[in-house]
Amino acid sequence: KAGVTQTPRYLIKTRGQQVTLSCSPISGHRSVSWYQQTPGQGLQFLFEYFSETQRNKGNFPGRFSGRQFSNSRSEMNVSTLELGDSALYLCASSQGNRGSSYNEQFFGPGTRLTVL
Amino acid sequence: KQEVTQIPAALSVPEGENLVLNCSFTDSAIYNLQWFRQDPGKGLTSLLLIQSSQREQTSGRLNASLDKSSGRSTLYIAASQPGDSATYLCAVIEYGGATNKLIFGTGTLLAVQP
Repeated sequence: KAGVTQTPRYLIKTRGQQVTLSCSPISGHRSVSWYQQTPGQGLQFLFEYFSETQRNKGNFPGRFSGRQFSNSRSEMNVSTLELGDSALYLCASSQGNRGSSYNEQFFGPGTRLTVL
Repeated sequence: KQEVTQIPAALSVPEGENLVLNCSFTDSAIYNLQWFRQDPGKGLTSLLLIQSSQREQTSGRLNASLDKSSGRSTLYIAASQPGDSATYLCAVIEYGGATNKLIFGTGTLLAVQP
């Protein structure tokens, strides 16, 4: 089974621009979550999508948004980029069964975003 | 509010040594706890998942235990090798929400010296 894939792997943008990151989950997985990782804040939860619906959202400004398609692929968008948005963005996929303790989560390689 | 802490923040050991990494969480109402490793600049690799009803899980040289009542988990690595050098992260999913949100610890940076 192919693992979680993320594209692109690296991005360089300037302040004020917007960016779209993509995540393809493991086949059969319906839940996709996004995390931001920075040296200062560690791993922080952005949002989770399950069957095309946002199921949970972290404490990030509205500039961060996402969506999920019918094939479970997900995209996240960051508008009006700021220097502080420079980070490694990771997505995770799981089967996503409601309230289950069996949900092992698998991460992609990440997208390294640098904002200049 | 659930908080996850990992001690020590960094650890350096000689090759061949057995070692224990610690993870503490403040709220015992969790669905499961998962251990990951992260190599520099890379994504997270899942090592072990311990469900809330389990006490431990084993995979090769790794053994993870879970004590919900005390809010602690340990990751035991036997006969460490230089290839084990990485950052190790634990994360929990809180009970009660229909969500897969992981709450991560701060990580332990492990260096195994040849």
